[in-house]
Amino acid sequence: DIQMTQSPSSLSASIGDRVTITCRASQAIKNYLAWFQQKPGKAPKSLIYAASSLHSGVPSRFSGSGSGTDFTLTISGLQPEDFATYYCQQYNSYPLTFGGGTKVEIE
Amino acid sequence: QVQIVQSGAEVKKPGASVKVSCQTSGYTFTGFAIHWLRQAPGQTLEWMGWVTGGKGDTKYSQRFQGRVTMTRDTSATTAYMELSSLTSEDTAVYFCARDGGRDILPFWGQGSLVTVSS
Repeated sequence: DIQMTQSPSSLSASIGDRVTITCRASQAIKNYLAWFQQKPGKAPKSLIYAASSLHSGVPSRFSGSGSGTDFTLTISGLQPEDFATYYCQQYNSYPLTFGGGTKVEIE
Repeated sequence: QVQIVQSGAEVKKPGASVKVSCQTSGYTFTGFAIHWLRQAPGQTLEWMGWVTGGKGDTKYSQRFQGRVTMTRDTSATTAYMELSSLTSEDTAVYFCARDGGRDILPFWGQGSLVTVSS
């Protein structure tokens, strides 16, 4: 199975900050990488697929980059509604696997 | 628009089985697979497998092979996931998600809490 490692596991930030979350795959996954946002008690919301493509309706302050084994999710100008847990997920091969999550908290 | 509604919370005893439903609308059901995932309390997401809306083909994670059965009813545009031989480690929120092509997961149900307790 492909292991997905996210860092940091949590971070504190302020409104307007630029936040970067990294995700590393245990083997190359081309650009078959997605990012999700999850708030407590809710289903995950898909933000990005193919490493850098935003789903319809996702604000442009979210961006993704990377290929192979190293990926990043950047939030440029953190908004109150962005405080949540973020997960990366690879879909290069089965089983689909997720990172451990990064909790973004208010500083 | 795509809508996905899952069945309600369940409490089961160890050794029992649970069947969760995932009712969909707003798209051609037979054109897309439905994935099943779960999330134990405080843990990350875990993929369990998928069932195609058309033929009902399935692909399961090896971790659940032999214990999970995924089916669909095209007339009801509903997918089902049955998990047997439950233990306390199966306590989790179970999600279904519609495939968006190539295992991309853009549409999710609200989740169904399954609690396994004696």
